[in-house]
Amino acid sequence: SQKIEQNSEALNIQEGKTATLTCNYTNYSPAYLQWYRQDPGRGPVFLLLIRENEKEKRKERLKVTFDTTLKQSLFHITASQPADSATYLCALDVSGGSYIPTFGRGTSLIVHP
Amino acid sequence: ETGVTQTPRHLVMGMTNKKSLKCEQHLGHNAMYWYKQSAKKPLELMFVYSLEERVENNSVPSRFSPECPNSSHLFLHLHTLQPEDSALYLCASSQDTSGSLTDTQYFGPGTRLTVL
Repeated sequence: SQKIEQNSEALNIQEGKTATLTCNYTNYSPAYLQWYRQDPGRGPVFLLLIRENEKEKRKERLKVTFDTTLKQSLFHITASQPADSATYLCALDVSGGSYIPTFGRGTSLIVHP
Repeated sequence: ETGVTQTPRHLVMGMTNKKSLKCEQHLGHNAMYWYKQSAKKPLELMFVYSLEERVENNSVPSRFSPECPNSSHLFLHLHTLQPEDSALYLCASSQDTSGSLTDTQYFGPGTRLTVL
């Protein structure tokens, strides 16, 4: 079956450390993958998009990698802060070129001071 | 703020009620979406409108009826809902539906719906 998998268990880390979140998928060949942040009671907010021909993308303290062989994306937050605590969603196009992404269920990140 | 507003933010309704959710985007986008988000489940796409025409309907029960009178406004009309329809309903917009892979979605804050 086709799946987008994100760790359902919350990731707890200490402030200042690097947080790494994982998004795995099966049976898709997406042209792109996106990462969103969602705070409780609010809608997701777009963070980064990475295309299939890109290995890595950076934005300030954020870094995303995309390995189409492993069918995996890693999302890193360096020098993490308590304000980074949120749920992070990955989304990808399951049709190989659709403008409408399909979302994973997200992983909760908790950064402790 | 993302430029997408939703009202009401919270709604409690009985199974025999009729209510409507409203979404408005101030971004000049051409595409608008309704999503359902239930606890512990991924976002579920319900409807997509492009330039006021419905382009996708993901097998949503007929008790949910969308309406898009213009490219800035989107409604979701609710009628005889079930308790399992209780969820966060999110509206989103994007620049266009031309197939641009760099297009991203801008979400509203959502309406928390409880069906008794």
